[in-house]
Amino acid sequence: SQQGEEDPQALSIQEGENATMNCSYKTSINNLQWYRQNSGRGLVHLILIRSNEREKHSGRLRVTLDTSKKSSSLLITASRAADTASYFCATVLSGYSTLTFGKGTMLLVSP
Amino acid sequence: DTEVTQTPKHLVMGMTNKKSLKCEQHMGHRAMYWYKQKAKKPPELMFVYSYEKLSINESVPSRFSPECPNSSLLNLHLHALQPEDSALYLCASSQAQFSSYEQYFGPGTRLTVT
Repeated sequence: SQQGEEDPQALSIQEGENATMNCSYKTSINNLQWYRQNSGRGLVHLILIRSNEREKHSGRLRVTLDTSKKSSSLLITASRAADTASYFCATVLSGYSTLTFGKGTMLLVSP
Repeated sequence: DTEVTQTPKHLVMGMTNKKSLKCEQHMGHRAMYWYKQKAKKPPELMFVYSYEKLSINESVPSRFSPECPNSSLLNLHLHALQPEDSALYLCASSQAQFSSYEQYFGPGTRLTVT
């Protein structure tokens, strides 16, 4: 069953703007990962954040994790048309080793 | 080489056909995965192989039969599929089947069952 729920389901912005996507989950996790999927292609790993971490950065990406609220957010700064893709959060539940993907956010960045 | 390759890219098969999907990685990863993804849905885990042994089968129908001939290769044998099995089939690998490792995905095989 799906663990993560992304919000919003779809997001449309202009190049240069920031994009924020949120992910909520229901049970205790070991870590949370964000993946990007370009249309109909494979997924690309973006960031992994462990349950004892609160924030991580990678280039233009910033991920936060609030385990008390069971939520995470992905911020993409200064977005580009090439950032157009679907973004999925995936949780690894405590005691498990496999990923459970959320429904995803479709991001459209217009030039 | 940080690439997972999958063949074929596209496959159209009838309900009585037998076909196979192939996946290969040369990153020395010891865990490999098959996922199924329907349009506008997230990937759903089907099988996990760890050190070439089937570790997890997520109650997948027997018309899907996985095989891991060696540490670099993963196959998915298909037989007597149904039209609802049409989907994007993704292969992934990770250093090991532990939660702290990221997964590397192949580009997928888009399967259409007629």
